[in-house]
Amino acid sequence: EAGVAQSPRYKIIEKRQSVAFWCNPISGHATLYWYQQILGQGPKLLIQFQNNGVVDDSQLPKDRFSAERLKGVDSTLKIQPAKLEDSAVYLCASSLGGGDRVHYGQPQHFGDGTRLSIL
Amino acid sequence: KQEVTQIPAALSVPEGENLVLNCSFTDSAIYNLQWFRQDPGKGLTSLLLIQSSQREQTSGRLNASLDKSSGRSTLYIAASQPGDSATYLCAALSNFGNEKLTFGTGTRLTIIP
Repeated sequence: EAGVAQSPRYKIIEKRQSVAFWCNPISGHATLYWYQQILGQGPKLLIQFQNNGVVDDSQLPKDRFSAERLKGVDSTLKIQPAKLEDSAVYLCASSLGGGDRVHYGQPQHFGDGTRLSIL
Repeated sequence: KQEVTQIPAALSVPEGENLVLNCSFTDSAIYNLQWFRQDPGKGLTSLLLIQSSQREQTSGRLNASLDKSSGRSTLYIAASQPGDSATYLCAALSNFGNEKLTFGTGTRLTIIP
């Protein structure tokens, strides 16, 4: 089974520039998550999709971050404009969970992440 | 709001020793608790998942326990090896809502050959 794919692996940009990350989840996984992991901290959920719809984006800084999941498969996360405090690893994860109780609590599978450095 | 804490932040032990990593959570209404391993520059690899109705789970040299009433989980690693060096994170899944995982800050483990 192919895992969660993310690209690019690394990105260096200057503050106020824009950047986009891409994620391809495990085939058949209905739920997709984007996490931000700042050095020395645990991952923090930015946004959660179930199929095409957003389930939770309460911690997404919507003035600069946006995300979409077209056709319920791949997803992109964009930052525009970037700030110094956005330097972090951005992790994508997917799970079978489809919003029903039967699939609740299925393990989340993580990609290797994109390491973003803001100069 | 769920808060997950892992102490210590870093731990070094000689190879061959048994060790315990600790995880505490403030809200006992959890659905499950997961332990992950993170190697430098990599994503998270799931090690063990304990359902709220379970007391422990085992995989090879790893054993995870869960005590909901006290808000604690431990990860026991037997006969540690240098390859066990990594950051270990625990995460609690809420018992309702949107399947949101709340992570601890992790324990960075170094096994000294």
